[in-house]
Amino acid sequence: DTEVTQTPKHLVMGMTNKKSLKCEQHMGHRAMYWYKQKAKKPPELMFVYSYEKLSINESVPSRFSPECPNSSLLNLHLHALQPEDSALYLCASSHPNRDREEEQFFGPGTRLTVL
Amino acid sequence: DQQVKQNSPSLSVQEGRISILNCDYTNSMFDYFLWYKKYPAEGPTFLISISSIKDKNEDGRFTVFLNKSAKHLSLHIVPSQPGDSAVYFCAAISTDSWGKLQFGAGTQVVVTP
Repeated sequence: DTEVTQTPKHLVMGMTNKKSLKCEQHMGHRAMYWYKQKAKKPPELMFVYSYEKLSINESVPSRFSPECPNSSLLNLHLHALQPEDSALYLCASSHPNRDREEEQFFGPGTRLTVL
Repeated sequence: DQQVKQNSPSLSVQEGRISILNCDYTNSMFDYFLWYKKYPAEGPTFLISISSIKDKNEDGRFTVFLNKSAKHLSLHIVPSQPGDSAVYFCAAISTDSWGKLQFGAGTQVVVTP
């Protein structure tokens, strides 16, 4: 299984809603990532988890809250978002060991629209 | 500060010909470079990578060349196929910043029949 899956595929939410994005991989990767991508821009790193512990937070606003319940799952909890948070949210995973190749495998993304 | 630059936002190439995508970087600590391909509404797909200890890596129709002294890498696709039409991102990782992929802005490739 060489796939990263993300649900939902599309999400529309109001600024007062609470929602969660989910990501799953079964490749045995112990590093998982959240990226945000706006139209015609490259992906921007948000969070990195390594061995289920948060290792990088790229100064992301607290209205985005990541969670890594186990080595295969990664969640992104959303609360009180702004319309400018509308974007494609990508999950990725990789081996965390620098002695190995560092390709990150991406999921298809969740297209988020904040009204 | 954009540390990875793809100065050509778009490239049009005829089917069967060679596509050459260029990427420049400024951070001399980058030691691993990757190319990703992205279709609309999908996540990036890993294509090929190269370590800074090499100057060339080949995988089927895809070859990546690295010129460390010029801080430049390129991706060659030959022969180009219609299915290659996508956005291509160059990315890099530095020795002191594990996990933090730095992406270029991307190049839109269109392969015409």
